[in-house]
Amino acid sequence: TQLLEQSPQFLSIQEGENLTVYCNSSSVFSSLQWYRQEPGEGPVLLVTVVTGGEVKKLKRLTFQFGDARKDSSLHITAAQPGDTGLYLCAGERYTGANNLFFGTGTRLTVIP
Amino acid sequence: KAGVTQTPRYLIKTRGQQVTLSCSPISGHRSVSWYQQTPGQGLQFLFEYFSETQRNKGNFPGRFSGRQFSNSRSEMNVSTLELGDSALYLCASSPGGSGGLDEQYFGPGTRLTVT
Repeated sequence: TQLLEQSPQFLSIQEGENLTVYCNSSSVFSSLQWYRQEPGEGPVLLVTVVTGGEVKKLKRLTFQFGDARKDSSLHITAAQPGDTGLYLCAGERYTGANNLFFGTGTRLTVIP
Repeated sequence: KAGVTQTPRYLIKTRGQQVTLSCSPISGHRSVSWYQQTPGQGLQFLFEYFSETQRNKGNFPGRFSGRQFSNSRSEMNVSTLELGDSALYLCASSPGGSGGLDEQYFGPGTRLTVT
């Protein structure tokens, strides 16, 4: 059983559309990170959210941490083919521990 | 600054054999974490080493072990390989020592296939 469940598991959209990926858990996390992984490479960190209710924007990407620090969402506006990849959320359960609990992943394909 | 390097990139082994994977962290980073990535289980934490000591450990059997050298390079070893050990093994380095969650930089991984 995964500690962090992501939905949807797969997403295929047209260029220019908007989308939201969800990351849910019944556990509380001291912080949560979002990564993007491309084939043949390791995950690359996009953002870290720490405070409940926090919202961070990275160009067309908006990340939100739930008030109770149990869930998070990633919203992409006007998706582009370069956004294609595997999106992973990862939570830190215990402050100071460099061991992340990764979500199940969302594979996004943006069709030109 | 050079990124995290992992060797070898691909490996094929037979059930029952053992394997050693290597990870060279970013220069100056003292923490190295290892993860296993499979289609079924996703990314799972194996262990973390900081200043040559194992600091955190995930929920994997004792067949999985690791070590870190004085130059922060790390190796992980899997003994008595099973088919289910086929996976992408990722290592991540971070500065370490801050007392909080560091930004982790992942290597490209070693793809292990057990036949």
